[in-house]
Amino acid sequence: DTEVTQTPKHLVMGMTNKKSLKCEQHMGHRAMYWYKQKAKKPPELMFVYSYEKLSINESVPSRFSPECPNSSLLNLHLHALQPEDSALYLCASSQDHILAFPYNEQFFGPGTRLTVL
Amino acid sequence: AQKITQTQPGMFVQEKEAVTLDCTYDTSDQSYGLFWYKQPSSGEMIFLIYQGSYDEQNATEGRYSLNFQKARKSANLVISASQLGDSAMYFCAMSGTQGGSEKLVFGKGTKLTVNP
Repeated sequence: DTEVTQTPKHLVMGMTNKKSLKCEQHMGHRAMYWYKQKAKKPPELMFVYSYEKLSINESVPSRFSPECPNSSLLNLHLHALQPEDSALYLCASSQDHILAFPYNEQFFGPGTRLTVL
Repeated sequence: AQKITQTQPGMFVQEKEAVTLDCTYDTSDQSYGLFWYKQPSSGEMIFLIYQGSYDEQNATEGRYSLNFQKARKSANLVISASQLGDSAMYFCAMSGTQGGSEKLVFGKGTKLTVNP
């Protein structure tokens, strides 16, 4: 299984809602990532988990809360979002966090298209 | 800090011809990885090819090859025999270190259109 899955594919939420994005991989990867991507822009890194511990937080607002319940799962909890948070949210995983080494490329999921009204 | 520059916002190529997408980088790291990803309009980022900074030979994966010139800090992607399905956004990226973990630094991307 060389796949990263993300649910839901699409999400529309109001500014007062609480929702969660889910990401799952069964490749035995020990590093997982959340990215935010606006239209016609490159992905922007939000969080990195390495061996189930948060290792990088790119100064993301607290209305985004990541969680790594186990080595296969990564969640992103959303609360009190703003319309400017509307974007494609991509999850990725890699063998481990040493990206300079071969066979450590990041595999991406299909993304969740989030719209905040 | 690492930086990736892709100077071609858009490129056009005829089907079955070869095309080169440019990428230059800047880093003070001795060891790093260079990556190319393809993003079709559906949104998923598809890994294409990897080049390690210590690799002496250029990486190849099927119709994709990476023209790595370390002294010039360039890592251009060459797609041979373009196909209509190659139309997509292409991102060059490199590994960068932060807080003991590594992350990918992406360029702004090049939109490739393959014409029949």
